[in-house]
Amino acid sequence: GAVVSQHPSWVICKSGTSVKIECRSLDFQATTMFWYRQFPKQSLMLMATSNEGSKATYEQGVEKDKFLINHASLTLSTLTVTSAHPEDSSFYICSARRGASGRLGEQFFGPGTRLTVL
Amino acid sequence: DAKTTQPPSMDCAEGRAANLPCNHSTISGNEYVYWYRQIHSQGPQYIIHGLKNNETNEMASLIITEDRKSSTLILPHATLRDTAVYYCIVRPPGYNNNDMRFGAGTRLTVKP
Repeated sequence: GAVVSQHPSWVICKSGTSVKIECRSLDFQATTMFWYRQFPKQSLMLMATSNEGSKATYEQGVEKDKFLINHASLTLSTLTVTSAHPEDSSFYICSARRGASGRLGEQFFGPGTRLTVL
Repeated sequence: DAKTTQPPSMDCAEGRAANLPCNHSTISGNEYVYWYRQIHSQGPQYIIHGLKNNETNEMASLIITEDRKSSTLILPHATLRDTAVYYCIVRPPGYNNNDMRFGAGTRLTVKP
């Protein structure tokens, strides 16, 4: 149990286009989901926290108008990279926190989405 | 949240125990120690967590010192598939507390 999926697993797009990444909790309800970004040979950096039905909370330095997050249901959160540029190329990882019983505060991570902007 | 310090890299021979240290000298009384690992180009995988008692599961053992200022993750019989970056994270429990924030981690290389 506690599986988190992401779609797509990789995407290549042209500069200036928008890309949507989906994060789904497959067998549990996630009241809170997190989006991370990871550049090559670096650690994961938290971008934003989203709670179902409310606006996302963005970390300092992350442009909320560029990285649109929607957590419309207890099993789905989406990250849209708007007007993507080559510097947005990165590995995007989501995680979900189970809202019901389970290990306290445990987060389950998705497999990641590799975005390449040409 | 308390910060952690880990060695940047370690090597281990296949079949041997891998002992990965983590210092968390500023840990608070209610903060748990979590360990995750990330195999290349994958999402982080939960390994184990604990508060003050030693913990063991099918993947690893976690040894926390009595003063809780440091811990050691033990992979009893490392395999080549255990090559990954291992992250030690401390945070309070509960659903309404902060997310997992990752440091640099330790890159473990298991060698044949």
